[in-house]
Order: sequence, then C-alpha cells, then structure tokens
Amino acid sequence: DSGVTQTPKHLITATGQRVTLRCSPRSGDLSVYWYQQSLDQGLQFLIQYYNGEERAKGNILERFSAQQFPDLHSELNLSSLELGDSALYFCASSAHPTGGSYEQYFGPGTRLTVT
Amino acid sequence: QQQVKQSPQSLIVQKGGISIINCAYENTAFDYFPWYQQFPGKGPALLIAIRPDVSEKKEGRFTISFNKSAKQFSLHIMDSQPGDSATYFCAASGAGRRALTFGSGTRLQVQP
Repeated sequence: DSGVTQTPKHLITATGQRVTLRCSPRSGDLSVYWYQQSLDQGLQFLIQYYNGEERAKGNILERFSAQQFPDLHSELNLSSLELGDSALYFCASSAHPTGGSYEQYFGPGTRLTVT
Repeated sequence: QQQVKQSPQSLIVQKGGISIINCAYENTAFDYFPWYQQFPGKGPALLIAIRPDVSEKKEGRFTISFNKSAKQFSLHIMDSQPGDSATYFCAASGAGRRALTFGSGTRLQVQP
C-alpha cells in the first residue's frame, strides 16, 4: 500500500459526459501528479500540482482540468468525454517537486470506460 | 528529447535465472532514473532508483546498472521468481521538472 488513495476505482460513463476523479496524497506529501495509462500511449504525464498551485503540464487535453485543494487532495476533471479517453488514470504523490526526495508513489488508479 | 526507450517488450525467464531489462534516454538533463513494477489491476510500485553520480545500485535481488556516457540504464533481477512476473517500467526525470517520462514497459514472465 503506497498511502495514496484514489476514488472511484471504476467509472463507466457515456460519450459527451463529464467525470471527476479524486486523489488523496500520502500524508505530508505536497506534490500530486496525474498520469494516464492506455494501451497505445503507455504511461503519460498529464499535470502536476504543488501545494495548491499548478507546477507543470504534460500531454493534457484542453477538455481535462485539475486542481489541488487546501487539504492537498486533488481532483482531475474530464469533460466532453470521447471513446479514446478510456484509460487508467493514476495519481502519484511526492514530498518535493525539486530537490530532496524525488520518489513518486502511485495510487491504485481509476479505470475509466467511456461507452 | 524526452523519450525513454525500453526493451525488450516481453521476456520469459526460468525460475532462478537473471532477468535483464534495458532502457536508453536522450535528454542529458535527466538526473533521476527509477524502475517501477506493476501487477495487473494495480498502480506502479517504486522498485529501485538511481542518480547519475553512481554506476550501480543494488537492493536485494534488484540491481540498476547506469552508463552515463551511453545514456543507458538497465534493471537486473537476480534469482528471478514466479512472483516477479509483472510489467516493469523504467522512467526518467530532470531538467527542473520532476514529472516522470516512462518507457513502454516490459512484461516479464518467470516460469516455475
């Protein structure tokens, strides 16, 4: 158990809909990363937050957005869903974004199926 | 410049054998190289990591070998066990950015 929690575990929704994925980082970790894992694209970085502020963006679509709240949990919002958005979405947390500890610990993921 | 290339795509090893997975990177600014193990239906789990100031790091049966000049690093699993059967990902980060760039993964099967 990494200490990172994600809900829900599974999500099935229709095209055009909007969903919210939730992540709670390990106790004390200030940085949250979101990754998408799909068969054709592999594991890809989407976005990073540190202590409530956006720190880095990766291959995140404009239809996707995220935020990190004062209690450090994070939410990934996916809107206008398409079939191709079906994937595993992972959240990872780390203590510091730069310097110090670089280790990232991953949650169990949310499997999104768009029908 | 951000790619990490991983090989082989799949690997079958006999119990007790050595499993070797290789990765190559392009971005010389990368300064942190972790390996993750992922079982079906689970999130990636950090296995072992190395910084470029050392050429080798060993933790139990797992060893990372790092060749800075060749921009390559590899994972060696000694005395491979059926319980090691999983997908392994190499990754890299650096250049002021700690987001991980992952390799494509290697599915390891250890036969009893």
